[in-house]
Formats: sequence, C-alpha cells, structure tokens
Amino acid sequence: QKEVEQDPGPLSVPEGAIVSLNCTYSNSAFQYFMWYRQYSRKGPELLMYTYSSGNKEDGRFTAQVDKSSKYISLFIRDSQPSDSATYLCAFNTGGFKTIFGAGTRLFVKA
Amino acid sequence: EAGVTQFPSHSVIEKGQTVTLRCDPISGHDNLYWYRRVMGKEIKFLLHFVKESKQDESGMPNNRFLAERTGGTYSTLKVQPAELEDSGVYFCASSQDEGGRDEQFFGPGTRLTVL
Repeated sequence: QKEVEQDPGPLSVPEGAIVSLNCTYSNSAFQYFMWYRQYSRKGPELLMYTYSSGNKEDGRFTAQVDKSSKYISLFIRDSQPSDSATYLCAFNTGGFKTIFGAGTRLFVKA
Repeated sequence: EAGVTQFPSHSVIEKGQTVTLRCDPISGHDNLYWYRRVMGKEIKFLLHFVKESKQDESGMPNNRFLAERTGGTYSTLKVQPAELEDSGVYFCASSQDEGGRDEQFFGPGTRLTVL
C-alpha cells in the first residue's frame, strides 16, 4: 500500500463550481497536513496548512482533516480559471521530510 | 525578497555524462532540501541540509548523486554518470526553521533529460 493516495485526475469543472480534492494516507505518524498548488513550469507553493483534525478556511479555500479516517480534503469555492493548476497533498511527521501525493490536475473552464 | 532560484532551468545530456544542478536558497534560510519528481510519479525527498551539514540523505537514489552546500549558502547536486532513469524535475526548497510546522519555499525546478 502506498503511503499517500491521490487521484491524478484530470478534473475539469466550469467556472464558479465547487471543487473537492482528496487524499488518503496510511501513516499514523503524520502530524502536519498541507496542500500545495503548482502551476505549470513552476515549483509547488504552500496553499493551506493544518495541524489537527477539523476544518481550516482561508478565503475560497477550505482544508479538512479527518485523522480517524486518514483522509484529507481541499475544497475550492467559486472556482476561477486562475485556479487551474496541479494540487498536491503533502504530509509531515514533524520532521524535515515532506511526503507528497502524486497531485491532481485541475482545469477550470471559463 | 528573492525566492529560491535554480540553474539551469533545463538540461539535456547524454547517458554517461555529468550534470551539476545549482540551487540558491532564500537568504537567511539555514535549511535546504532537494526533491525530485520522475515522470508520472510523486515528488520525492532526496536530502536535507542544515547550513553546510547533511542532516538526512536517505532519499538519495545511489552513489551517482552527490550534493554539497559549501559555506551553508548555495547548494549543488551532481549526477555522475547520468542514467536514463535520472530524467525528471529536480526541485530545491528552503526554510527558515526545521520541522513540519515550517513552510518550505520551492524553486521552479530544473528539468533534466537524459538521452
């Protein structure tokens, strides 16, 4: 079993739609849960970061962590064409090594 | 403030040749990381420096890869000799503090193609 599972997509939605991105993980030692956004030919940039189970909201983005189910989600409300990118879930046990999912490619059509 | 920079942006070499990738972290960031993404796979950790010291190089694929960070500033990653399976995008990241709570800032990556 892979340590992190993430559907690579691609996921195509119309502008204004609510987008749901998900990852499952198997390592119970993960303490930090992150979502990175990566535009084409660019490096990943940190989008959302959570430490505990529950929800965290930042503008149009909501990150959700369910430790009991080992499942994390990222919701994007009122999606925009500029949200078109690859979204990577990422995990950390509290050390220096970050474990990434394979990334989901998102296309938001105008 | 300048971000993490990497050079070159793209390198195409023949199998058996040597390539050196360079990373300049954000000024003042003691922690520097190298990651690699092979086609179709996830980004994987290669190694971590704190200043000039290697803290963890458990992700380095084999002894054909050598990373250095002289003086605790920029870092180089040398692949010698390069093999076909080394093709991919090599990312460098830096952070101010150590640990999962600290944001790692990524460079744009170096795309390495080995023919």
